[in-house]
Amino acid sequence: NAGVTQTPKFQVLKTGQSMTLQCAQDMNHNSMYWYRQDPGMGLRLIYYSASEGTTDKGEVPNGYNVSRLNKREFSLRLESAAPSQTSVYFCASKTGMRGYTFGSGTRLTVV
Amino acid sequence: GENVEQHPSTLSVQEGDSAVIKCTYSDSASNYFPWYKQELGKRPQLIIDIRSNVGEKKDQRIAVTLNKTAKHFSLHITETQPEDSAVYFCAASKGTGFQKLVFGTGTRLLVSP
Repeated sequence: NAGVTQTPKFQVLKTGQSMTLQCAQDMNHNSMYWYRQDPGMGLRLIYYSASEGTTDKGEVPNGYNVSRLNKREFSLRLESAAPSQTSVYFCASKTGMRGYTFGSGTRLTVV
Repeated sequence: GENVEQHPSTLSVQEGDSAVIKCTYSDSASNYFPWYKQELGKRPQLIIDIRSNVGEKKDQRIAVTLNKTAKHFSLHITETQPEDSAVYFCAASKGTGFQKLVFGTGTRLLVSP
């Protein structure tokens, strides 16, 4: 039982490049989320998926797209990376009334 | 939408002292308030949570209190230890099925031996 698995752990991109951050959970959770964490700003919601087949924007969705491929997997895509997207990205999943289970994070640097 | 404010941003205590972190929320419909601990370079991990029908919850050295009228909740850590040093985040959400958490900006707690 791995919980929430994120790949890659580290990534450096050049401005304008694209990439997809992968997230998978094996806990049969319905809801999945992508957050970004920046110094002094806490965790801000980018996109979420309340259940398989649905996605919706969070607080800071600009520059990102998501795909809920199936119940297990929720990917985050940066189509044209910008330096402002340098951040640590966390995927999380949840079911019922308990708090989130987070993945280990992806540290992304855009140069 | 919901807004969660957290104070202080940094907190330094001596080992054995108590530490208190406070959060306020704006949406009176919020009904779930978790606290997360994040060690350096690690993922946030849930340490305690409280629902709106409860005023206080305790788990060993940590406790959370909720004042719905004032819309604030607090984390209390007693007998602090160096391993308590981390960043702590409060959060709030509403609803009974799907929920999305809104996080505070975090408190860096440093416990000195």
